[in-house]
Formats: sequence, structure tokens, C-alpha cells
Amino acid sequence: EAGVVQSPRYKIIEKKQPVAFWCNPISGHNTLYWYLQNLGQGPELLIRYENEEAVDDSQLPKDRFSAERLKGVDSTLKIQPAELGDSAVYLCASSLEASEETQYFGPGTRLLVL
Amino acid sequence: SQQGEEDPQALSIQEGENATMNCSYKTSINNLQWYRQNSGRGLVHLILIRSNEREKHSGRLRVTLDTSKKSSSLLITASRAADTASYFCATGLIQGAQKLVFGQGTRLTINP
Repeated sequence: EAGVVQSPRYKIIEKKQPVAFWCNPISGHNTLYWYLQNLGQGPELLIRYENEEAVDDSQLPKDRFSAERLKGVDSTLKIQPAELGDSAVYLCASSLEASEETQYFGPGTRLLVL
Repeated sequence: SQQGEEDPQALSIQEGENATMNCSYKTSINNLQWYRQNSGRGLVHLILIRSNEREKHSGRLRVTLDTSKKSSSLLITASRAADTASYFCATGLIQGAQKLVFGQGTRLTINP
């Protein structure tokens, strides 16, 4: 069974440029999460989707970050414009449903903003 | 904000020795989980212990949970070089949906 797929794995951009990350969850998982992981820290939740609905986006900086999961399967996280402080790893995870205890993580996208 | 504090932040031991990592948290939980993250990779779920459990085993892993002290420990026995990774505890609170809050992690290095 394929795990959570993320692309790209690495991205280097200049500040003020836009950037997008893509995630395909495990087949059949209706809950999808985007996390931000700063260097030396644990992941912090940005947004949680149940099917195509964003049910918890309280930690998403909405002035520059946006996300979508149009068909309730894969998802895109966008930053526009990127700032130096956005350099981090962006992790996607999925679970069968929102109440499931275990989440399955993708390899992450490492973003460097210059 | 992060719920848990992990101790130590870094641990270096010889192959074959046991490694113990601790996690403390602040609020009520339904479960506590441990994840491993190899350098440049995603997190892998290791083990889950529920709030009504005190100890759990999985292979070379042993997890304890003390809800009165709001703390947990992860013991890896007979460590191997492949155990070198960062280990994160995550507290789970189910309020309709499961919400995981991660600690800052312990960086474990196993020396051959």
C-alpha cells in the first residue's frame, strides 16, 4: 500500500515569491492534515480537512497561506508571498477518519526561502 | 504552541545499550503516542498508549504513562545503529476529532 505522497521534496525560492506544496493521502483516508515543522521542533498543525471541508484552520496564517482539497482526495498548500521565516518542513498526514488515533505522515517538503 | 516537553533534548549512547526518553505534558489527554523521524524523512508511528493504560510493549519498545504526573517515558532496549533518529511524543485529545500536539523531540544517536 502506498503511503502519503508529497511533492516536491525540496524547494528553494526567493522571498516574496509564491510556492505550492502537493499531498496525496493514503487511499481511503478521508482526513488530511498539514503540519509545519521548524528546525529542531516538533510538527505544529496548520489545517485539518475532513473530506473537502477545512474543519480546523485556526493555526493557518490566512494572510499569506491558503489550502484546498477540492475533491476530498489530494490537497495543495500555498504560500503567497513567501517570507524568510517560512523556511521549514511542511508535512502532510492522513488518517482513515478524524477520530482515528494514529496519523500517517508523508516525507515532507523542505522549503528554503532566500 | 507545543504541549509536551521532552527530556533529554539529545542523547548519545553505545550500540546495545538501552535508551530512555521522557515526555511531560500539561493538559488532559485521551492517549499519548511516540513517533520516530529519521533525518530528512516524515514521522513514523511507533506506539500508542491510552490514558487508562500504564505500560505498553512493542518489540524492543516499552512505553509508560503516569497521568497523575502527566508524564511518559519511552525505553528502547538493545539499541541499534538504525535507531538513530529523533523521537517525538504527541498527546492526543479526542473532541469529536483526534488532535495531536507534539513535543520538541529527543535526538537519539547510537554509536557503533
